[in-house]
Amino acid sequence: QQPVQSPQAVILREGEDAVINCSSSKALYSVHWYRQKHGEAPVFLMILLKGGEQKGHDKISASFNEKKQQSSLYLTASQLSYSGTYFCGTEMSAGGTSYGKLTFGQGTILTVHP
Amino acid sequence: NAGVTQTPKFQVLKTGQSMTLQCAQDMNHNSMYWYRQDPGMGLRLIYYSASEGTTDKGEVPNGYNVSRLNKREFSLRLESAAPSQTSVYFCASSEFRTRKETQYFGPGTRLLVL
Repeated sequence: QQPVQSPQAVILREGEDAVINCSSSKALYSVHWYRQKHGEAPVFLMILLKGGEQKGHDKISASFNEKKQQSSLYLTASQLSYSGTYFCGTEMSAGGTSYGKLTFGQGTILTVHP
Repeated sequence: NAGVTQTPKFQVLKTGQSMTLQCAQDMNHNSMYWYRQDPGMGLRLIYYSASEGTTDKGEVPNGYNVSRLNKREFSLRLESAAPSQTSVYFCASSEFRTRKETQYFGPGTRLLVL
């Protein structure tokens, strides 16, 4: 079942912060975050594994609450280059037979203005 | 190191025509995937191959067939194209050994079926 992302779209000015959420009704093993620029392929940002770890990459970080089956992506002091569509991809927790299959959310469109 | 490559980049077909989308990766990954991306729908898995010699259906397999030619190559075939198959198609690959690896995407093939 497709995870649900919120908000669907967000508009920021440079330097502002944003949070993008990803919720699943299924037990998750991992959450993968990607950013996609218009007309390009999705680019991997980070992976969150079962265990509730939090990761960071420059001014972008994320958390994974496995009890709530939710992940959040935090973008701080946004830059123009952060504009794009953000997707979460979720891998189910059931055994080791998922073969890395990801189910993606519908995406969150982030626009950063000067 | 080219990563994941896809051919062609663009294609226009008439209803009922057939074609094969090619995908190759040079990262020695075991698993490969085919997705389609439609506006507002995120990425949906068509077929995947957990390892050389194996293929399995994803979320939206109807109207498609796949071949895992060898470890590097994974092709997607449309036997009789329909307008509903107008989409952007992405191929991805993953190592998938410890469930800590993510997927890496090719540049995509934009397909229009008239």
